[in-house]
Amino acid sequence: DTAVSQTPKYLVTQMGNDKSIKCEQNLGHDTMYWYKQDSKKFLKIMFSYNNKELIINETVPNRFSPKSPDKAHLNLHINSLELGDSAVYFCASSQDIGTGVIYGYTFGSGTRLTVV
Amino acid sequence: KQEVTQIPAALSVPEGENLVLNCSFTDSAIYNLQWFRQDPGKGLTSLLLIQSSQREQTSGRLNASLDKSSGRSTLYIAASQPGDSATYLCAVFGTNNLFFGTGTRLTVIP
Repeated sequence: DTAVSQTPKYLVTQMGNDKSIKCEQNLGHDTMYWYKQDSKKFLKIMFSYNNKELIINETVPNRFSPKSPDKAHLNLHINSLELGDSAVYFCASSQDIGTGVIYGYTFGSGTRLTVV
Repeated sequence: KQEVTQIPAALSVPEGENLVLNCSFTDSAIYNLQWFRQDPGKGLTSLLLIQSSQREQTSGRLNASLDKSSGRSTLYIAASQPGDSATYLCAVFGTNNLFFGTGTRLTVIP
C-alpha cells in the first residue's frame, strides 16, 4: 500500500478554474505538508498541518488553501488558477517527536498541474 | 535563513565509477539531513536520513556523511550503475521547516 498518495497525478485545466488536489497518508504521521516544485526543480514549502493546525504558511497567494478533514488527509484547494501556478505539487508527511522531525519525510509521487 | 547548496549541478560518469555528491548548508542548527532521489517526472524517494547527532548512514552502495560544524554533507555512491541516473536532492530540517538544495543531476553512462 502506498504510504502517501496524491490524486490526481496529472491535472490540466484552464485559467480561472478552481481545482483541488487530494493527499492521504496511512503512516499515522502527525504532520502533513504541501510543496511546490518550480520549473527549475526547486522545492519550496507551501503549507504544513500538525493535528489540524496550520503551523507554517509561506508567502503563497491566498488563492491556495489547505484543508485537513482529519490527521490522515491534507487537500490543496486552488481558486482562480493562473498560468504561473503550473508546477508539480508534492504532498509529504512526517512523524514529529518533541521539537524536531526524527524519522524524516515521506513524499507522495506528485501532481503535475498544467494551467492553459 | 537556511540556504542549502548542492555542487555540482550536473555530473556525468562512466558506469562502475565511485562518485561523491556534495551538499552544504549555512545554518548548522539542524535536526537532521535527508538525501532524496528524484527520477524524471516522478516523486521523491528517500535514500538516507542522518540525525544531527550522527556522522554517517549507509544503505547498500550509498553512504552519506554529515559534518554539522562545517555545514556539509556528502553522498557517496559506489560502483555506479545506469539505474542510478536521477536527480539527487539533499534537505535539511531546521526550525519548523525542511530546506531543499537545488539538486545534482547524475547521469551514469553505460
